[in-house]
Amino acid sequence: DIVMTQSPDSLAVSLGERATINCKSSQSLLYSSKKKNYLAWYQKKSGQPPKLLISWASTRESGVPDRFSGSGSGTDFTLTISSLQAEDVAVYYCQQYYSTPITFGGGTKVEI
Amino acid sequence: QVQLVQSGTEIKKPGSSVKVSCKASGGTFTNYAVSWVRQAPGQGLEWLGGSIPVFRRGSYTQGRVTISADESRSTVYVEVSSLTSEDTAVYFCAVATVGTDYLFEHWGPGTLVTVSS
Repeated sequence: DIVMTQSPDSLAVSLGERATINCKSSQSLLYSSKKKNYLAWYQKKSGQPPKLLISWASTRESGVPDRFSGSGSGTDFTLTISSLQAEDVAVYYCQQYYSTPITFGGGTKVEI
Repeated sequence: QVQLVQSGTEIKKPGSSVKVSCKASGGTFTNYAVSWVRQAPGQGLEWLGGSIPVFRRGSYTQGRVTISADESRSTVYVEVSSLTSEDTAVYFCAVATVGTDYLFEHWGPGTLVTVSS
């Protein structure tokens, strides 16, 4: 199974400041023939289902504010919120969809 | 746009089984890959299983989890048997983006399952 490790577990960021979340996979998520990383980021707010923010490590989903960006390749990935807004308070999860069983990181709680 | 409707809250005894449903509203599951993901209280997300696409494959079982579908009702089910307190969680159905199997673009609202004696 591919193990997904997120860091930090939680972070507190001032409004308007940058938040950076890291995700490391136990094996490469780069499907070389397709040149794509099978890594997604989700935002999870209390009482709501997860929301897909980023796919293929760096592709922002339609309607997701451009302050959210994803980067990285292979085994190391980052989600950046460039200017934190109050509505961004949530838990963020990375997920690999390279192979089954599908696995998620442990989550990073972002607070103001 | 696929919209998902899940069945209501369940309270179960240890050792029993629970079956949660997920119905596509305003569309159909045909050709979509549907998975089930759960979140225990204070814990992260756990993938229970999925099928590609579920209606062509029929039901399948992995351990205590069985995923099945009724195409005529446009509904997918997850059944968990031999329940313990560790199965207490919110259960989500998740539909993958067309052309992918496990990139979850659409999510149901969740069904709370509580296992308690």
